[in-house]
Amino acid sequence: EPEVTQTPSHQVTQMGQEVILRCVPISNHLYFYWYRQILGQKVEFLVSFYNNEISEKSEIFDDQFSVERPDGSNFTLKIRSTKLEDSAMYFCASSRDRENEKLFFGSGTQLSVL
Amino acid sequence: RKEVEQDPGPFNVPEGATVAFNCTYSNSASQSFFWYRQDCRKEPKLLMSVYSSGNEDGRFTAQLNRASQYISLLIRDSKLSDSATYLCVVSGGGADGLTFGKGTHLIIQP
Repeated sequence: EPEVTQTPSHQVTQMGQEVILRCVPISNHLYFYWYRQILGQKVEFLVSFYNNEISEKSEIFDDQFSVERPDGSNFTLKIRSTKLEDSAMYFCASSRDRENEKLFFGSGTQLSVL
Repeated sequence: RKEVEQDPGPFNVPEGATVAFNCTYSNSASQSFFWYRQDCRKEPKLLMSVYSSGNEDGRFTAQLNRASQYISLLIRDSKLSDSATYLCVVSGGGADGLTFGKGTHLIIQP
C-alpha cells in the first residue's frame, strides 16, 4: 500500500537554528499539507500546497516557515529560526482528488527545540 | 473561531460492547466531515467520511446532523484493537485546511 514517508523521524535542534523536514507524498497525489501536533494537544493545520504553490495557510504559518517542492517527489517544510514553542510532531499529508478530502498522513517528524 | 468539540474521555468499555462518540462543530458552512483514528504517538488515519444520509463500514456507523452541527460515531462489537483516540474532523466553509477536534480516548478492556 502506498504511503507518505517522512524523514527524519526525530530532529533535535538548538533554538535559533534552521531545520528542514522532508516528506515524500504518495506519487499520484496532487495536494500536499503540513500539520503539527504539540504534545497533548490537537492536530493543527499549517499549510496546503497545490500546483506548485501555497493554496491555504494558517496563522501559525508565519514568515519563519516556508514550503518547497524541489523536485517531482519531495515536499519540504523549513523553519528558519526555531523557537522553543516550535517543538511538536510535524505531519506531512497528501490527498489525490480534492483539497482537504481523504488525507493520508506520514508517520511524522518529532521536532525538539532546546 | 472555528472549533470542533469532543468529550475527551477516556471511555473504558468492555470488549464486545457498543460505544458511541459525539462531536459538535461551530462553523455552519463546513462541508466535509470525517472520523480519524490516532494511536498513541502515531499519525492520524482516516477511519471514514461522514455523510448526511449516514454511512456504515462494518462495525462502524457515522451520522451527521447538519441542523444541530453534530456528528456521531458508533462502534459495535468493540475489539481490543479499537483502543485509540478518535478524532472528529471537519473542513470547508472557508476554513483553513482540516479542523481537528482534540479527540476522544477509547480503551477497550478484555
